[in-house]
Order: sequence, then structure tokens, then C-alpha cells
Amino acid sequence: DQQVKQNSPSLSVQEGRISILNCDYTNSMFDYFLWYKKYPAEGPTFLISISSIKDKNEDGRFTVFLNKSAKHLSLHIVPSQPGDSAVYFCAARGNSGGSNYKLTFGKGTLLTVNP
Amino acid sequence: DAGVIQSPRHEVTEMGQEVTLRCKPISGHNSLFWYRQTMMRGLELLIYFNNNVPIDDSGMPEDRFSAKMPNASFSTLKIQPSEPRDSAVYFCASSLYEGAETQYFGPGTRLLVL
Repeated sequence: DQQVKQNSPSLSVQEGRISILNCDYTNSMFDYFLWYKKYPAEGPTFLISISSIKDKNEDGRFTVFLNKSAKHLSLHIVPSQPGDSAVYFCAARGNSGGSNYKLTFGKGTLLTVNP
Repeated sequence: DAGVIQSPRHEVTEMGQEVTLRCKPISGHNSLFWYRQTMMRGLELLIYFNNNVPIDDSGMPEDRFSAKMPNASFSTLKIQPSEPRDSAVYFCASSLYEGAETQYFGPGTRLLVL
């Protein structure tokens, strides 16, 4: 059973517009959420994170929103650039039972930003 | 500083052969992770080491898989015997300490078992 779901396998946007990537989770014990970005033939790289005590975290063009009641988070990229084209993974972890190392990943969303 | 280093980058082998994947974590990082990425299951944790000690191997699919970390700068993931369903991309990642915000991933080893 997938505990972290990214229901959109792909997303295409125009350069300069907003990209919104969505992620849902089912495990209420998750309290820390991360987004990773992956280019072909490379490993995932950390992009931005958010703790469950917050509902928004911003870093430059990237903003992550967390809605705990809906068990939903989203990544906004504004403005989108062609170099943002990559696979984006949502990940989550809990902080109980000594498992704060364990990341559970979604299957990823392929973002394509068209010039 | 160099990132996580994995070798080989690509491996093609025949069913039944032994496969050994290698990883050098970032210097000073105490936590090391092996992940497997497949289309069906996505990115899943196989095993986690802290200070060279295996802490969680619940993700290792079966006894054909084994992992070691003989010292702080080297880890191996071995599959013996390999099967076609083991074909996947295997990533090694490290973090500064357990629970650190960021895990740093290597470039992965793409394994194809014929």
C-alpha cells in the first residue's frame, strides 16, 4: 500500500508560468516532508522540506505548502524555467519508534517546462 | 567535496551470476542507505547503516541480497544469485547523522540481469 502518492505521472507547463506538483499521504505519523528533484542518469537531489508544524516554506522560486488535515502537500515553482524539467519526488518520514531516518517516497512526477 | 560515489554505473549480467555494487559515502557522514528504484515500486529503502552497523534491513527483498559496511568509507550491496526481476537502478545515499534533514544520493547503478 502506497503511503505517499503522486497521482500525476507527468506535468507540462510553459516557461514563466507556475508549476504545481501535488502529493498525498496516508500515514498520520509522518511529520516531515521533502521534495527531491532528479535529472536523468543522476541521483535525486534535495530541493526543499517542510515540518508538520508549518504550513508553508519558501526558498526562492520554490514554495511547499502543507495541509495536514487533508494530508496533502504541494510544490509550487514560480516562474518555471526549462532547467526545472526533471522528475520530482515527494518524500515523507515519521519521528516515532526510532524511524526518523526512513524516507517513504512517492513514484515521482515528470515536469516538462517548455520554452 | 566529492559527493556519494557509486560503481559501476552500469552492470549487465546473466541470471545466476553474482553482482556486487559499491558505494563510497560523503566523508564524515555517519548514515548510509541503499535504495532500489523500479517502475512498479518506485524508490524503496533496502537497508540502512548507522556508524557502519546495519540498523534496518527490513527492505532487503530476500536472502539473495546482502550488504556490508566494513568501514566508514565503503559499502557493498551483493546479489547472489541474480535474477531478471532484480533489474533496477540501485542508489546509495548518505547523511551527516541519523535523522539529518538531507540524504545525499549517488548517481546510481543501473543493473540489467538477462
